Amino acid sequence: AQSVTQLDSQVPVFEEAPVELRCNYSSSVSVYLFWYVQYPNQGLQLLLKYLSGSTLVESINGFEAEFNKSQTSFHLRKPSVHISDTAEYFCAVSSNYKLTFGKGTLLTVNP
Amino acid sequence: ETGVTQSPTHLIKTRGQQVTLRCSSQSGHNTVSWYQQALGQGPQFIFQYYREEENGRGNFPPRFSGLQFPNYSSELNVNALELDDSALYLCASSGLAGGGPQETQYFGPGTRLLVL
Repeated sequence: AQSVTQLDSQVPVFEEAPVELRCNYSSSVSVYLFWYVQYPNQGLQLLLKYLSGSTLVESINGFEAEFNKSQTSFHLRKPSVHISDTAEYFCAVSSNYKLTFGKGTLLTVNP
Repeated sequence: ETGVTQSPTHLIKTRGQQVTLRCSSQSGHNTVSWYQQALGQGPQFIFQYYREEENGRGNFPPRFSGLQFPNYSSELNVNALELDDSALYLCASSGLAGGGPQETQYFGPGTRLLVL
Protein backbone atom coordinates (compact mmCIF):
# COMPACT_ATOMS: atom_id res chain seq x y z
CA ALA A 1 0.00 0.00 0.00
CA GLN A 2 1.13 3.53 -0.69
CA SER A 3 0.49 6.69 1.25
CA VAL A 4 1.48 10.34 1.21
CA THR A 5 1.69 12.69 4.15
CA GLN A 6 1.82 16.42 3.67
CA LEU A 7 2.93 17.74 7.00
CA ASP A 8 1.50 21.25 6.75
CA SER A 9 -2.11 21.95 5.82
CA GLN A 10 -1.47 25.69 5.46
CA VAL A 11 1.70 27.71 4.84
CA PRO A 12 1.44 31.52 4.89
CA VAL A 13 4.46 33.46 3.62
CA PHE A 14 5.30 36.94 2.46
CA GLU A 15 6.06 37.76 -1.14
CA GLU A 16 9.71 37.16 -2.14
CA ALA A 17 10.31 34.90 0.87
CA PRO A 18 11.52 31.31 0.43
CA VAL A 19 9.11 28.45 1.02
CA GLU A 20 9.26 24.69 1.60
CA LEU A 21 6.23 22.42 1.37
CA ARG A 22 6.90 19.08 2.98
CA CYS A 23 5.91 15.68 1.64
CA ASN A 24 6.68 12.21 2.97
CA TYR A 25 5.63 9.00 1.26
CA SER A 26 5.53 5.29 1.84
CA SER A 27 5.65 2.80 -0.98
CA SER A 28 6.38 -0.89 -1.32
CA VAL A 29 7.26 -0.65 -5.00
CA SER A 30 9.30 1.57 -7.30
CA VAL A 31 8.70 5.21 -6.50
CA TYR A 32 7.41 7.77 -8.92
CA LEU A 33 6.56 11.10 -7.31
CA PHE A 34 4.62 14.11 -8.50
CA TRP A 35 3.70 17.58 -7.33
CA TYR A 36 0.47 19.07 -8.66
CA VAL A 37 -0.89 22.59 -8.14
CA GLN A 38 -4.57 23.52 -7.95
CA TYR A 39 -5.66 27.13 -8.35
CA PRO A 40 -9.09 28.13 -7.00
CA ASN A 41 -11.98 26.51 -8.86
CA GLN A 42 -9.67 24.70 -11.26
CA GLY A 43 -8.36 21.18 -11.84
CA LEU A 44 -4.87 19.95 -11.07
CA GLN A 45 -1.83 21.02 -13.07
CA LEU A 46 1.44 19.09 -13.04
CA LEU A 47 4.23 21.10 -11.43
CA LEU A 48 7.09 18.60 -11.56
CA LYS A 49 7.83 14.90 -11.27
CA TYR A 50 10.54 12.47 -10.22
CA LEU A 51 10.83 9.24 -12.18
CA SER A 52 14.53 8.32 -11.99
CA GLY A 53 17.99 9.81 -12.35
CA SER A 54 18.88 13.12 -10.73
CA THR A 55 17.19 13.47 -7.37
CA LEU A 56 16.67 17.21 -7.89
CA VAL A 57 13.91 18.11 -10.30
CA GLU A 58 12.83 21.57 -11.38
CA SER A 59 9.74 23.22 -12.82
CA ILE A 60 9.64 26.02 -15.36
CA ASN A 61 8.32 28.53 -12.83
CA GLY A 62 11.11 28.27 -10.27
CA PHE A 63 9.95 25.43 -8.03
CA GLU A 64 12.22 22.49 -7.30
CA ALA A 65 11.87 19.25 -5.37
CA GLU A 66 14.42 16.78 -4.09
CA PHE A 67 13.83 13.06 -3.85
CA ASN A 68 15.37 11.66 -0.68
CA LYS A 69 15.07 7.89 -0.56
CA SER A 70 16.53 7.44 2.93
CA GLN A 71 14.11 9.95 4.44
CA THR A 72 11.25 8.95 2.09
CA SER A 73 10.66 12.60 1.32
CA PHE A 74 9.96 14.76 -1.72
CA HIS A 75 9.84 18.32 -0.39
CA LEU A 76 8.95 21.21 -2.69
CA ARG A 77 10.91 24.46 -2.49
CA LYS A 78 11.00 27.89 -4.08
CA PRO A 79 13.62 30.49 -3.17
CA SER A 80 11.35 33.49 -3.75
CA VAL A 81 7.56 33.26 -4.05
CA HIS A 82 5.12 35.54 -5.86
CA ILE A 83 1.54 36.45 -5.12
CA SER A 84 0.53 34.31 -8.10
CA ASP A 85 1.93 31.19 -6.39
CA THR A 86 -1.03 31.24 -4.00
CA ALA A 87 -2.70 27.88 -4.54
CA GLU A 88 -3.15 24.40 -3.11
CA TYR A 89 -0.24 22.02 -3.69
CA PHE A 90 -0.63 18.25 -3.75
CA CYS A 91 2.11 15.65 -3.50
CA ALA A 92 1.33 12.26 -5.06
CA VAL A 93 2.93 8.84 -5.47
CA SER A 94 2.17 6.71 -8.49
CA SER A 95 1.54 2.97 -8.60
CA ASN A 96 0.48 0.72 -11.46
CA TYR A 97 -2.65 2.56 -12.39
CA LYS A 98 -3.37 5.28 -9.87
CA LEU A 99 -2.07 8.34 -8.10
CA THR A 100 -2.28 8.44 -4.32
CA PHE A 101 -2.44 12.04 -3.11
CA GLY A 102 -1.71 13.77 0.14
CA LYS A 103 -4.31 16.04 1.68
CA GLY A 104 -2.70 19.13 0.21
CA THR A 105 -0.95 22.25 1.47
CA LEU A 106 -2.53 25.64 0.97
CA LEU A 107 0.21 28.13 0.17
CA THR A 108 -0.87 31.73 0.75
CA VAL A 109 1.52 34.44 -0.39
CA ASN A 110 0.87 37.80 1.22
CA PRO A 111 2.13 41.19 0.00
CA GLU B 1 -3.78 20.14 -28.90
CA THR B 2 -7.04 19.93 -26.94
CA GLY B 3 -6.78 19.35 -23.21
CA VAL B 4 -9.04 17.29 -20.98
CA THR B 5 -12.58 18.61 -20.87
CA GLN B 6 -15.41 17.72 -18.50
CA SER B 7 -19.13 18.37 -18.45
CA PRO B 8 -21.13 19.68 -16.80
CA THR B 9 -19.13 22.12 -14.68
CA HIS B 10 -21.65 22.13 -11.85
CA LEU B 11 -24.54 19.89 -10.93
CA ILE B 12 -27.11 19.77 -8.15
CA LYS B 13 -28.94 16.52 -7.39
CA THR B 14 -31.05 15.17 -4.56
CA ARG B 15 -30.32 12.10 -2.48
CA GLY B 16 -31.27 8.87 -4.22
CA GLN B 17 -30.97 10.24 -7.74
CA GLN B 18 -28.52 9.10 -10.40
CA VAL B 19 -25.90 11.23 -12.16
CA THR B 20 -23.69 10.91 -15.23
CA LEU B 21 -20.50 12.92 -15.62
CA ARG B 22 -18.59 13.13 -18.88
CA CYS B 23 -14.95 13.48 -19.82
CA SER B 24 -13.10 13.92 -23.11
CA SER B 25 -9.50 12.85 -22.94
CA GLN B 26 -6.57 14.83 -24.27
CA SER B 27 -5.82 14.22 -27.94
CA GLY B 28 -3.77 11.02 -28.39
CA HIS B 29 -4.48 9.67 -24.89
CA ASN B 30 -6.09 6.25 -24.48
CA THR B 31 -6.38 6.00 -20.69
CA VAL B 32 -8.83 7.82 -18.45
CA SER B 33 -8.85 7.91 -14.65
CA TRP B 34 -11.51 9.33 -12.34
CA TYR B 35 -10.95 10.88 -8.93
CA GLN B 36 -13.22 12.24 -6.21
CA GLN B 37 -12.03 15.30 -4.30
CA ALA B 38 -14.06 16.10 -1.20
CA LEU B 39 -13.81 19.58 0.26
CA GLY B 40 -10.46 20.12 1.95
CA GLN B 41 -9.09 16.73 0.88
CA GLY B 42 -6.79 15.36 -1.77
CA PRO B 43 -8.23 13.52 -4.75
CA GLN B 44 -9.18 9.87 -4.17
CA PHE B 45 -8.85 7.36 -7.02
CA ILE B 46 -12.15 5.87 -8.18
CA PHE B 47 -11.18 3.81 -11.25
CA GLN B 48 -9.25 3.80 -14.49
CA TYR B 49 -10.26 2.77 -18.02
CA TYR B 50 -7.90 1.66 -20.76
CA ARG B 51 -9.21 0.75 -24.20
CA GLU B 52 -12.79 0.51 -22.94
CA GLU B 53 -11.95 -1.88 -20.08
CA GLU B 54 -11.70 -1.12 -16.37
CA ASN B 55 -8.00 -1.27 -15.54
CA GLY B 56 -8.09 -0.74 -11.79
CA ARG B 57 -10.47 0.39 -9.07
CA GLY B 58 -10.17 2.21 -5.78
CA ASN B 59 -12.20 1.75 -2.61
CA PHE B 60 -15.56 2.90 -3.96
CA PRO B 61 -18.85 0.95 -3.89
CA PRO B 62 -20.37 -0.62 -7.02
CA ARG B 63 -22.86 2.22 -7.38
CA PHE B 64 -19.91 4.10 -8.87
CA SER B 65 -19.52 2.77 -12.41
CA GLY B 66 -17.95 3.92 -15.62
CA LEU B 67 -17.61 3.54 -19.33
CA GLN B 68 -15.00 4.33 -21.92
CA PHE B 69 -15.93 4.77 -25.55
CA PRO B 70 -13.98 3.93 -28.73
CA ASN B 71 -12.87 7.56 -29.02
CA TYR B 72 -11.47 7.23 -25.44
CA SER B 73 -13.95 9.62 -23.90
CA SER B 74 -15.46 8.40 -20.65
CA GLU B 75 -18.46 8.59 -18.35
CA LEU B 76 -18.74 8.26 -14.60
CA ASN B 77 -22.13 7.12 -13.32
CA VAL B 78 -23.19 7.28 -9.71
CA ASN B 79 -26.44 5.64 -8.62
CA ALA B 80 -28.43 6.18 -5.43
CA LEU B 81 -26.66 9.41 -4.59
CA GLU B 82 -25.76 10.07 -0.97
CA LEU B 83 -24.99 13.37 0.72
CA ASP B 84 -21.32 12.33 1.07
CA ASP B 85 -21.05 12.08 -2.71
CA SER B 86 -20.91 15.87 -2.83
CA ALA B 87 -17.44 16.60 -4.19
CA LEU B 88 -15.37 17.74 -7.13
CA TYR B 89 -15.03 14.90 -9.63
CA LEU B 90 -11.85 15.01 -11.64
CA CYS B 91 -11.04 13.19 -14.83
CA ALA B 92 -7.45 12.63 -15.93
CA SER B 93 -6.05 11.21 -19.13
CA SER B 94 -2.68 9.69 -19.93
CA GLY B 95 -1.11 8.48 -23.10
CA LEU B 96 0.94 5.34 -22.76
CA ALA B 97 -0.51 1.84 -22.90
CA GLY B 98 -2.36 1.06 -19.69
CA GLY B 99 -1.38 4.28 -17.96
CA GLY B 100 1.87 3.02 -16.43
CA PRO B 101 3.17 4.54 -13.18
CA GLN B 102 5.65 6.85 -14.93
CA GLU B 103 2.93 8.40 -17.00
CA THR B 104 1.82 11.93 -16.24
CA GLN B 105 -1.91 12.21 -15.75
CA TYR B 106 -3.42 15.39 -17.19
CA PHE B 107 -6.46 16.63 -15.34
CA GLY B 108 -9.61 18.34 -16.48
CA PRO B 109 -11.23 21.22 -14.61
CA GLY B 110 -13.65 18.94 -12.80
CA THR B 111 -17.39 18.69 -12.22
CA ARG B 112 -18.63 20.00 -8.90
CA LEU B 113 -21.52 17.85 -7.66
CA LEU B 114 -23.77 18.92 -4.82
CA VAL B 115 -26.18 16.37 -3.37
CA LEU B 116 -29.03 17.78 -1.30
